[in-house]
Amino acid sequence: NAGVTQTPKFQVLKTGQSMTLQCAQDMNHNSMYWYRQDPGMGLRLIYYSASEGTTDKGEVPNGYNVSRLNKREFSLRLESAAPSQTSVYFCASSERGADNEQFFGPGTRLTVL
Amino acid sequence: QKEVEQNSGPLSVPEGAIASLNCTYSDRGSQSFFWYRQYSGKSPELIMFIYSNGDKEDGRFTAQLNKASQYVSLLIRDSQPSDSATYLCAASPGGFKTIFGAGTRLFVKA
Repeated sequence: NAGVTQTPKFQVLKTGQSMTLQCAQDMNHNSMYWYRQDPGMGLRLIYYSASEGTTDKGEVPNGYNVSRLNKREFSLRLESAAPSQTSVYFCASSERGADNEQFFGPGTRLTVL
Repeated sequence: QKEVEQNSGPLSVPEGAIASLNCTYSDRGSQSFFWYRQYSGKSPELIMFIYSNGDKEDGRFTAQLNKASQYVSLLIRDSQPSDSATYLCAASPGGFKTIFGAGTRLFVKA
C-alpha cells in the first residue's frame, strides 16, 4: 500500500499562473483534507471532503478550489497563484472525520514568484 | 479564533532523559487530541491520541489530558536521538476540522 501520494513534489510558479495539486489514497478512507504549512503557523486546513461527492471550506480557502474526483482522489487547484500561496501543501486522509488518525502525504513545496 | 498553543523550542534533552512537551487549547468543545511527530522535510505522523482526562501510555510515550485546564502534554521516556523532531499538538471538536499547534522542536543530545 502506498498510503497517501501527492504530485508534484516541488513546483515553482509565476504570479498569476494556475496549477493543480493531485492527491490519491489507497486506504479506502472516506475523508480527505488539504492543508498548508507555513513557518511558525502550523498546519491550516484549506478544504476538506467528508465523503465522496462532498467538499467544504476550511480555515483558509480563499484562492483555492478543490475536486473530489472519486473516493481515492482529491485535487487542489490554484487558479491564479499569488506569492502569499508559497507554502508546503499536505494532503491527508482519515477513515471518517477528524476524530480519527489522519494519514499525510509527502507534501508539495510550492514557490510563487 | 480557536487556537492550540505550543512553545516553539527548541527543547534540548540528553539521551536517556524524559522529554516533556506541552500545549494548551482554547476551544472548550475540543474532544479529541493528537500528537504528531514531524521530521525535518517530512510529513506529520501520528504517535499518540487521547480522548479522556488522565494519562494514556504507549511504549515510551505518555499523553496526558486535563480538560478543566485545557492542557495536553506528551512525555517521552528514555529519549533517543531518533526522537529529535518537531512535535505537533492538535485538537478537534469533532466533525472534520482539526486545529494544529505550530509545533515544538525537540533535540535529543547523544
